[in-house]
Amino acid sequence: SYELTQPPSVSVSPGQTARITCSGDALPKQYAYWYQQKPGQAPVLVIYKDSERPSGIPERFSGSSSGTTVTLTISGVQAEDEADYYCQSADSSGTPYVVFGGGTKLTVL
Amino acid sequence: EVQLVESGGGLVQPGGSLRLSCAASGFTFSSYSMNWVRQAPGKGLEWVSYISSSSSTIYYADSVKGRFTISRDNAKNSLYLQMNSLRAEDTAVYYCARETGTIGIDPWGQGTLVTVSS
Repeated sequence: SYELTQPPSVSVSPGQTARITCSGDALPKQYAYWYQQKPGQAPVLVIYKDSERPSGIPERFSGSSSGTTVTLTISGVQAEDEADYYCQSADSSGTPYVVFGGGTKLTVL
Repeated sequence: EVQLVESGGGLVQPGGSLRLSCAASGFTFSSYSMNWVRQAPGKGLEWVSYISSSSSTIYYADSVKGRFTISRDNAKNSLYLQMNSLRAEDTAVYYCARETGTIGIDPWGQGTLVTVSS
């Protein structure tokens, strides 16, 4: 089955730039999405269509794509950005319809 | 305000059944496809099922195919997940979430906890 691969954890100091990657063979053909999940809360969409930002999401969140890897970048990380981040895409060849990466725990030191 | 509220979770024995509901408000429910996504304790997100706006297209994850049934009632602005032959590994928080196509899965409900244990 199709898989999206993320690093388990990323750590940065406040004010620095955090980059979280997500790799998958279908990513050149399928859009990627990013969700932020804080403890005890539901996931929130922070990036759609690889690099678009929904309304209400701070400008420090951005997304990019290159080949089989997409990247979520958080510039000027703040303490409130500490959360789990999940990438999501689809398998271009069939089911499952929706695929999530394993998630990355962002720690703000 | 767009809102999704799940209900129906609880403790059930292995082999048992449970029906989850999701009440939608603040948007034209009948115009949107919907998903169920689950999260086992301390684990990542796992997509469970998808239903199109008219119920004409339905998908399931292999892990639940043949045991779970997704459905919706557009007149009642409600989404459902009938879960049969439940297993310990089905223990998770179950989220309903709106499918917006290329805009992503947004928003998500607050989730309802299903615990399968004897």
